[in-house]
Amino acid sequence: AQRVTQPEKLLSVFKGAPVELKCNYSYSGSPELFWYVQYSRQRLQLLLRHISRESIKGFTADLNKGETSFHLKKPFAQEEDSAMYYCALLPPTSGTYKYIFGTGTRLKVLA
Amino acid sequence: ETGVTQSPTHLIKTRGQQVTLRCSSQSGHNTVSWYQQALGQGPQFIFQYYREEENGRGNFPPRFSGLQFPNYSSELNVNALELDDSALYLCASRGQGMDEQYFGPGTRLTVT
Repeated sequence: AQRVTQPEKLLSVFKGAPVELKCNYSYSGSPELFWYVQYSRQRLQLLLRHISRESIKGFTADLNKGETSFHLKKPFAQEEDSAMYYCALLPPTSGTYKYIFGTGTRLKVLA
Repeated sequence: ETGVTQSPTHLIKTRGQQVTLRCSSQSGHNTVSWYQQALGQGPQFIFQYYREEENGRGNFPPRFSGLQFPNYSSELNVNALELDDSALYLCASRGQGMDEQYFGPGTRLTVT
């Protein structure tokens, strides 16, 4: 079955500490992987996608097909990074974008 | 360029009733997807509309239906409401050839 697992509901780190939000997926083909973020009182928005291999707000994520993981990392957490983070999988599409989301991890960056 | 809007913000219904939720897509976006987000869960794909036709559906029963209009606004209709339908309903619009979707703020539905 296609599934995205985010094992941590809550992750608390101190400002300046490294952050790693875990995401594992279950899919037999070659999906696209995304990280979405929801800041307090804001709507869900795309943070980054694996195909662009870019760093957004200091965050990076590497797709590890062997471990079927797509962990989100940032070397030095900032207080403004506190938010809800969702990992999402998009199966190869023929026009229908059936995103599969994980249950999310709440990141709290402590001063 | 306007963002995705949804109405109403909150809604309380009784079990067995019917509800209609509305979404106005971002300007120029011809694809809209609807998601259900239960408390403590991630968004779950309900269905997608493209050019007024449903062209993809998740694991939701037929009592969840939708419409998309020529101006790209859309509706989610749920018949015979059940308590488990209580959730945040999100719509997301996407432009042709784009894989990035833009979410609305959601409608919080409570079924009592």
